[in-house]
Amino acid sequence: NAGVTQTPKFQVLKTGQSMTLQCAQDMNHNSMYWYRQDPGMGLRLIYYSASEGTTDKGEVPNGYNVSRLNKREFSLRLESAAPSQTSVYFCASSVPQFPLSRFLNQPQHFGDGTRLSIL
Amino acid sequence: KNEVEQSPQNLTAQEGEFITINCSYSVGISALHWLQQHPGGGIVSLFMLSSGKKKHGRLIATINIQEKHSSLHITASHPRDSAVYICAARHFGNEKLTFGTGTRLTIIP
Repeated sequence: NAGVTQTPKFQVLKTGQSMTLQCAQDMNHNSMYWYRQDPGMGLRLIYYSASEGTTDKGEVPNGYNVSRLNKREFSLRLESAAPSQTSVYFCASSVPQFPLSRFLNQPQHFGDGTRLSIL
Repeated sequence: KNEVEQSPQNLTAQEGEFITINCSYSVGISALHWLQQHPGGGIVSLFMLSSGKKKHGRLIATINIQEKHSSLHITASHPRDSAVYICAARHFGNEKLTFGTGTRLTIIP
């Protein structure tokens, strides 16, 4: 019963390097999210995907790209890492509230996080 | 001003004490979430409520829609309750959440 799985758990990059954070869920959820968590700030939404093949920008999308290739997986890519992207990244998934369905008001399920340091 | 504000930022209490963490929000919401972030970093959803009160074990969450305020209570607190507690507001019409900055709770044996 894995839930939401993120890889890697830790990563150190040099400025300008690229990398992809992977996220997979096994709960058949439609909606998936990428957040970043920084000291003294609440979790902030980077991108989200309401369903396979669709993605939308969140609050802080600059410097990131995402890909939702199938229902299970939602990846986050840093094309040219910058020190300002040092953060803890969380992936989450949920059954959507909209359109209305019997799965109203379902919580988001979070992965364990990826701690990313950019030097 | 943040849309979701929590208080206190930090709370230290003795084992057995009754704990209250507060959350105020300034936007219309469809639901209010309470989450727990363990010292190791993992985040778990505790409650999601849109009215009234919910209880799970020693945890109780309440919400007052008119006052735009929610509280999380922990009865008979225990050191294993030590964690960061986060409230998040779900906006009307979409899935997005706005998060508070969290309350770091430390329970001393």
